[in-house]
Amino acid sequence: AQKVTQAQTEISVVEKEDVTLDCVYETRDTTYYLFWYKQPPSGELVFLIRRNSFDEQNEISGRYSWNFQKSTSSFNFTITASQVVDSAVYFCALISGTYKYIFGTGTRLKVLA
Amino acid sequence: EAGVVQSPRYKIIEKKQPVAFWCNPISGHNTLYWYRQNLGQGPELLIRYENEEAVDDSQLPKDRFSAERLKGVDSTLKIQPAELGDSAVYLCASSLGGGSAYEQYFGPGTRLTVT
Repeated sequence: AQKVTQAQTEISVVEKEDVTLDCVYETRDTTYYLFWYKQPPSGELVFLIRRNSFDEQNEISGRYSWNFQKSTSSFNFTITASQVVDSAVYFCALISGTYKYIFGTGTRLKVLA
Repeated sequence: EAGVVQSPRYKIIEKKQPVAFWCNPISGHNTLYWYRQNLGQGPELLIRYENEEAVDDSQLPKDRFSAERLKGVDSTLKIQPAELGDSAVYLCASSLGGGSAYEQYFGPGTRLTVT
């Protein structure tokens, strides 16, 4: 069975703080892909990153960074020096075997000025 | 480049009425997806098209939901009759191909309220 767990329902931080969003996944497949999407209040999911199961290198893109650890089945997302514009719901998703996305329930991030 | 276009953005109907949603994917994207997103949840796939062929409709409630993608471009999702539990946001997405490596691009969604 495939499953994505985002245990943090909602997180509030003050602007300029760092924040980490957790994602834990389950799959029996050895080949799979993990994604992070951002859903701002406008409702449109915006693609942030894709990782395949054979590439455990961490990635940094500006203030965003991702930590992929197969040993703990986690794919965590860190925002450094958060800004109000980062306020959104963030979804972690998994594809393995079929082409069907399995989304987590999302983490609502509120960045307060 | 234009993104995924959906209409209408909002729809309010009474239960037992029919409703239809329209989606125009990104030009050149062969794969089209319809998702339903309930409040506080992640999107759940309803149906996936490769060109005009529905290749995965296992999650589509076929007694009341139907979809089509004529000519392999835009698509329509229909509900008839609607039930109270159908209230949700219906998202359309497209990708270059159906493989796992392709990220999906989402439209803004249609928020359906059934009263």
